[in-house]
Amino acid sequence: DAGITQSPRHKVTETGTPVTLRCHQTENHRYMYWYRQDPGHGLRLIHYSYGVKDTDKGEVSDGYSVSRSKTEDFLLTLESATSSQTSVYFCAISGQGAGEQFFGPGTRLTVL
Amino acid sequence: GDSVTQMEGPVTLSEEAFLTINCTYTATGYPSLFWYVQYPGEGLQLLLKATKADDKGSNKGFEATYRKETTSFHLEKGSVQVSDSAVYFCALGGGADGLTFGKGTHLIIQP
Repeated sequence: DAGITQSPRHKVTETGTPVTLRCHQTENHRYMYWYRQDPGHGLRLIHYSYGVKDTDKGEVSDGYSVSRSKTEDFLLTLESATSSQTSVYFCAISGQGAGEQFFGPGTRLTVL
Repeated sequence: GDSVTQMEGPVTLSEEAFLTINCTYTATGYPSLFWYVQYPGEGLQLLLKATKADDKGSNKGFEATYRKETTSFHLEKGSVQVSDSAVYFCALGGGADGLTFGKGTHLIIQP
């Protein structure tokens, strides 16, 4: 299994508070991704990174920001959490090959 | 833009039945195609992939063939087991900008 960890695994927070989720990899892969999973929507891309300090927006980026200061870490920040951001968040990595991605265990975020 | 369509289910089968989960796609260019599986409370695991037309991906008894003429990548297994109960996602992509996923098919196998 690819070495990907996410922290925290579960978090409950209140509307308006900032939240940061962390993804850490030990595979030295270049590409990292944040997705959210919601019933009836499958997985949707929030942001991705193609190198240190190189990031770009995905399909559902509004309300989220990211940072990547080291190859191994990719942070997702909700500056002011809203109830619509209650979801399960997955980090993924990709290196060589045909573009397959390897997923972390997920973070379940509840915004009250 | 790119899109993937698959039935959401739940699909309920008896053990040892034949499985087909349909997946069709719309894409520009020539993407790679993937099937992922998600067990309860876990992340997604890559099940199989195909990178070009007529390629067949296979793993753990599951198979899928990249059909460019019908823009399909249907997942099949000859004899399912209770342990195959999970959510299955079809996806396309292969570039740097992420994968496009279908909404997932919930599969329930009854003993």
